[in-house]
Amino acid sequence: GDSVTQMEGPVTLSEEAFLTINCTYTATGYPSLFWYVQYPGEGLQLLLKATKADDKGSNKGFEATYRKETTSFHLEKGSVQVSDSAVYFCALSAGGAGSYQLTFGKGTKLSVIP
Amino acid sequence: GAVVSQHPSWVICKSGTSVKIECRSLDFQATTMFWYRQFPKQSLMLMATSNEGSKATYEQGVEKDKFLINHASLTLSTLTVTSAHPEDSSFYICSAGATSGSSEQYFGPGTRLTVT
Repeated sequence: GDSVTQMEGPVTLSEEAFLTINCTYTATGYPSLFWYVQYPGEGLQLLLKATKADDKGSNKGFEATYRKETTSFHLEKGSVQVSDSAVYFCALSAGGAGSYQLTFGKGTKLSVIP
Repeated sequence: GAVVSQHPSWVICKSGTSVKIECRSLDFQATTMFWYRQFPKQSLMLMATSNEGSKATYEQGVEKDKFLINHASLTLSTLTVTSAHPEDSSFYICSAGATSGSSEQYFGPGTRLTVT
C-alpha cells in the first residue's frame, strides 16, 4: 500500500539556520504530494504541494521538489524563524483527480530557538 | 476561502456518555469529509470517509457502532462518540474535499476530547 516516511524528530535549530526535513514515499501511479504544518494547539494547514514530477511547491519561504526518480519530496527553508516552530507532515494522495484520501507521514517536530 | 470549522474545540465528558462533534465547510461544498484521530506525538490516523447522503466507509479496526458518522448535507458532517471511555480521549480532526475535483483536503482545527 501507499506509505510516507519522513525523518524523525524532534529537530532543533537556531534562528536563521537552514532546514531540511526528508520525506520519501511509496505509491502506485502518480501521487500528488503535500506538506502540512500544525502549529501548537491548531489544526493542519496546507503548506505547499506538487502534483507532478519535477514540480516545485513553495510557500512562506519553504520549498519542496517532487522527485520521481528518488520518490522524494524533501522540505527546505533557507532561514528558519522562531515562528516556524511546529510539526510538519508529509503526505500523499494517490487516487487521482477527485480522490482526496491522504496518507500521512508520522510528522517531524521542529523547534527554532532564538 | 476553503475554511473548515469544528465544534466544540474541546470537550470533557464522563465515561459512558456520548459526545457529538460537528464539522462544517463554511465557504464551499464538500462531497467528501474525513475524520481523523491524532494521538500525542503521532500522526493522523484516518478513521472514516464520509460522502454526503451515503454511509461512511470506516477504516479497518475502527468500530462503526462506536464512532457514528453522519454527513447529511454538503456542508456538515458529525462524529458521535458513543458510550465514551477514557481510551477514547484524543484529538479528533475533520477535513473536507471540495466538489471541484481537486485532490486537496481542508482541515478543521480539531476537537480535543477528554473522557473522565
